[in-house]
Parts: sequence; structure tokens; C-alpha cells
Amino acid sequence: AQTVTQSQPEMSVQEAETVTLSCTYDTSESDYYLFWYKQPPSRQMILVIRQEAYKQQNATENRFSVNFQKAAKSFSLKISDSQLGDAAMYFCAYLRGQGGSEKLVFGKGTKLTVNP
Amino acid sequence: GAVVSQHPSRVICKSGTSVKIECRSLDFQATTMFWYRQFPKQSLMLMATSNEGSKATYEQGVEKDKFLINHASLTLSTLTVTSAHPEDSSFYICSAREGGSAETQYFGPGTRLLVL
Repeated sequence: AQTVTQSQPEMSVQEAETVTLSCTYDTSESDYYLFWYKQPPSRQMILVIRQEAYKQQNATENRFSVNFQKAAKSFSLKISDSQLGDAAMYFCAYLRGQGGSEKLVFGKGTKLTVNP
Repeated sequence: GAVVSQHPSRVICKSGTSVKIECRSLDFQATTMFWYRQFPKQSLMLMATSNEGSKATYEQGVEKDKFLINHASLTLSTLTVTSAHPEDSSFYICSAREGGSAETQYFGPGTRLLVL
């Protein structure tokens, strides 16, 4: 069974600094998708970034980028120039299944605190 | 684009009553919707997958007779918690996936259920 592990329950960063959140996953599939979702105190899940496993190039969305290491099954999120609004729970997720039965498997989350 | 709404945002009910939660995709047609449950400070747990016009697929351990799911149209899925008990108190989140874009799920803002 696929699993997603986020080894950092909590992280903190100074405003304007850079922070990296870790995520590893276990799968026997060769084609899949990986996501980072953000859940602020409002609890609305917000898609931050996604990565397709068959693409070697790391995904980037403005201040957010990933370091995707397929062989190591690692998918870390880097937040540059951290802002107070980045404070939230961050969930790494793996999309498993195929043929219309795709389901997201979430890690346990990392709580990010941004210090002014 | 890709907005998902949920109603109500919070509900308090007496033990033994039933509660219906609606999930709507506002600007796209969702062939598949998902229902999650999230306990405080925990990750999202998939309860069931709802496909328009067919029966929902429940995850192992989820009581289908207690959590009734209906996906009658391409923009609406409902979750009914029947004969609710205090242990059903939780945060329920739905997500929706466009038919032609199977990878990304867009999440609703969640519904907080409190059963007294």
C-alpha cells in the first residue's frame, strides 16, 4: 500500500527566509502525481503545487518549488521569501490508482509557523 | 476557477438526528467527488468516492448505512450522517475532480459537525 511520510510535525521560519518541508512516499507504481496542499487556520485546503512523476523537471509556482527525487521517493517543498500568510498546515499527498479510481493519500502534515 | 462550496459551514444537532451536508462544484462539472473526515490536528481521511449517477465507493471501515452519499448531478454531492452520535462530531471536507482533468482535486471549505 502506498504511504506518505512527513517527518517534521512542526517547522518554523523567519519572515523573508527560506524553509524546506520534507516528504517521502512509498509506491511500486511508475506513473503517479504528487501534491502539496496548504491548510490555513480557516481549514480550507489549497493546492500549492503538483508534480507529475514522469516529468523530471521540478515544479515551480512563484515562491514555491519542489525537489522531486523519484529514485529516492522524495518530494520536498521549498518556500522562499516566507510570508506571514504562509503559516499553515502543509500536507503532502500522493495520487494513487488508475483508470478513474484515483485517490489521494495524505501525509500527517507539517505545521509551519512564520515568525515576524 | 475550480471553486467548490459546502453547506452548511457548521452545524449542531442532537444525538439521533440526521444531518445533510452539500458539496457543489460552482464552475466546473465534477464527475467524481470525494468525502473526507478530519479529526483535530490530524490529516484527512478518505471516507468515500462518489461518482455521478452511480453508487458511492466506501473506504474500509466506513459504514455506508451511516454515511449516505448521493451524487445526483455533475455539480452536487450530498453526505447524510444518519442517526448522528457524539462520536460523529468532526470536520467533513469534500473535494471535486473535473472529468477531463483527473489529477487535481479541488476542496470545499469544510463543514464542522457537532453532535450533542
